[in-house]
Amino acid sequence: QIVLTQSPAIMSASLGERVTMTCTASSSVSSSYLHWYQQKPGSSPKLWIYSTSNLASGVPARFSGSGSGTSYSLTISSMEAEDAATYYCHQYHRSPPTFGGGTKLEIK
Amino acid sequence: QGQMQQSGAELVKPGASVKLSCKTSGFTFSSSYISWLKQKPGQSLEWIAWIYAGTGGTSYNQKFTGKAQLTVDTSSSTAYMQFSSLTTEDSAIYYCARHSYYRDFDYWGQGTTLTVSS
Repeated sequence: QIVLTQSPAIMSASLGERVTMTCTASSSVSSSYLHWYQQKPGSSPKLWIYSTSNLASGVPARFSGSGSGTSYSLTISSMEAEDAATYYCHQYHRSPPTFGGGTKLEIK
Repeated sequence: QGQMQQSGAELVKPGASVKLSCKTSGFTFSSSYISWLKQKPGQSLEWIAWIYAGTGGTSYNQKFTGKAQLTVDTSSSTAYMQFSSLTTEDSAIYYCARHSYYRDFDYWGQGTTLTVSS
């Protein structure tokens, strides 16, 4: 199965700071099938970015995604308090679908 | 806007079975793939299996073959997961989610907490 490794596992950012987190796949993944979810404590995951760079409905424009092959990233241009959460990358290029271990983003 | 409403928390004894439900609305259930996923506290997500509601066709994560069984009731737009031979390792939150075109999960249930304890 394809293993997704997210880094860092935990990070903190000041309000207004630019944030970048990465997701590295153990083998190449089509960008169409690499997605990101946001999860806050006590809530279900929410689709955040699909197919590498497409924002899901309602996601603020300060979020962006990029990448190809085995290396993908999620960037927040200017950190806001509501962005504190855990972000998971997910691939369904090949079955079984797998998730990264998550990046927990905290406010500094 | 699609919605997925899952059944309530379960407390079951080791060795028992449980059947979780996921009632959907707001999208065409019969042409949807529905997955079930597991999340233990403080951990990431693990895919269990999917079912295509139109035909009942399924695909299982090898790890859960024989443990999980997926079914659907198209008349009520509800998906089910039966989990058998439960152990304490099965204690987790279980989510149902719908696959979108790019195989992302665009709609999620609120989760069902399963606790396996004697």
